Amino acid sequence: EAQVTQNPRYLITVTGKKLTVTCSQNMNHEYMSWYRQDPGLGLRQIYYSMNVEVTDKGDVPEGYKVSRKEKRNFPLILESPSPNQTSLYFCASSLLGVSNQPQHFGDGTRLSIL
Amino acid sequence: SQKIEQNSEALNIQEGKTATLTCNYTNYSPAYLQWYRQDPGRGPVFLLLIRENEKEKRKERLKVTFDTTLKQSLFHITASQPADSATYLCARAAGGGNKLTFGTGTQLKVEL
Repeated sequence: EAQVTQNPRYLITVTGKKLTVTCSQNMNHEYMSWYRQDPGLGLRQIYYSMNVEVTDKGDVPEGYKVSRKEKRNFPLILESPSPNQTSLYFCASSLLGVSNQPQHFGDGTRLSIL
Repeated sequence: SQKIEQNSEALNIQEGKTATLTCNYTNYSPAYLQWYRQDPGRGPVFLLLIRENEKEKRKERLKVTFDTTLKQSLFHITASQPADSATYLCARAAGGGNKLTFGTGTQLKVEL
């Protein structure tokens, strides 16, 4: 089944403790991205990657890192999480870019930073 | 900067009626607009994409229109059903087509 898989689905942690949210897709997509979703603010793009070893900032990249060493994986790294990063996070992928490409989303990761 | 605006108020309609949702954007006209459906606790699911040179696009009970003069896209669900109840998001690409910007979504509730 074609899908985008995120792990973990839920995480409660404390300020400053490094964490990684994994994202994997099995559709051989070149484009992958991360979003956070907050009430009243909607989905906002954090980082995106056009292909392996190619990443770029989205609209809200501060406090986050990403890497794209393999085509199928695009982990999101919070090196020193803070409470304002408490949010619902989504990973997405598409064949090529975003303009005319449907995005396939994972089911989300709910992060709580205490 | 480019903004996408959707009506933040929930839309309640009766089963069988047509639901119409609005997506407005500022500044330049996007080449494409996308519409997604999101259920509580789930990721958005792609529904339709419309290009700027298309006035209308249809898929089963769904219809999307695109008016570049008004800077607006309308999303219609005909013969609505309770199962259509969800939040609907519109999105457009910017930055050379590499970044996607979403509206905040409109919650639709279809009542029996």
